[in-house]
Amino acid sequence: GAVVSQHPSWVICKSGTSVKIECRSLDFQATTMFWYRQFPKQSLMLMATSNEGSKATYEQGVEKDKFLINHASLTLSTLTVTSAHPEDSSFYICSAPPPTALTEAFFGQGTRLTVV
Amino acid sequence: AQSVTQPDIHITVSEGASLELRCNYSYGATPYLFWYVQSPGQGLQLLLKYFSGDTLVQGIKGFEAEFKRSQSSFNLRKPSVHWSDAAEYFCAVAPFGGTALIFGKGTTLSVSS
Repeated sequence: GAVVSQHPSWVICKSGTSVKIECRSLDFQATTMFWYRQFPKQSLMLMATSNEGSKATYEQGVEKDKFLINHASLTLSTLTVTSAHPEDSSFYICSAPPPTALTEAFFGQGTRLTVV
Repeated sequence: AQSVTQPDIHITVSEGASLELRCNYSYGATPYLFWYVQSPGQGLQLLLKYFSGDTLVQGIKGFEAEFKRSQSSFNLRKPSVHWSDAAEYFCAVAPFGGTALIFGKGTTLSVSS
């Protein structure tokens, strides 16, 4: 079945540095990718939607300049957390819509970001 | 606005006992409905989904869920809980295929021996 691969699975970075998270669709083309954030003990909240060939759409309250999203190709979307701070520490997970109707979305494995 | 409500934040069930996790959604039409499970520090695993048709759907690990249109509910059930079922459970909806999911706040399931 369709697979979405997300890397890295975990990362620790120093405050002020930038971190890039990659999300690849392995055996299908994803023109759209959803990025979610999950704070500890909380639910998943949609941050933004990346679209191949156009600018990402951000949810209200999400800083566009801090969370840079690029959909470079039909199989790759990236999320870069710029000038990371401890409050950005979270679980980030990407998801591609189903390639066919009446199937579920495909989630990456998630990335645990810890900013120290 | 669309929303998903999971009324129970934390539930403790004895091993071998039955389980029901509640989920209510708010949406004008019948959305696509999902239940996911998440173990600590892990990603999401799809338990089951409902798109249309038979309102009782079977999933993996012995779980089932029943869609009730009149109650806007999609409750998850399991007849006999195992200790390995302890995890976080999320109900989610999508207005239609291809859209982002809206997640409930989750229910933490603890299993006592």
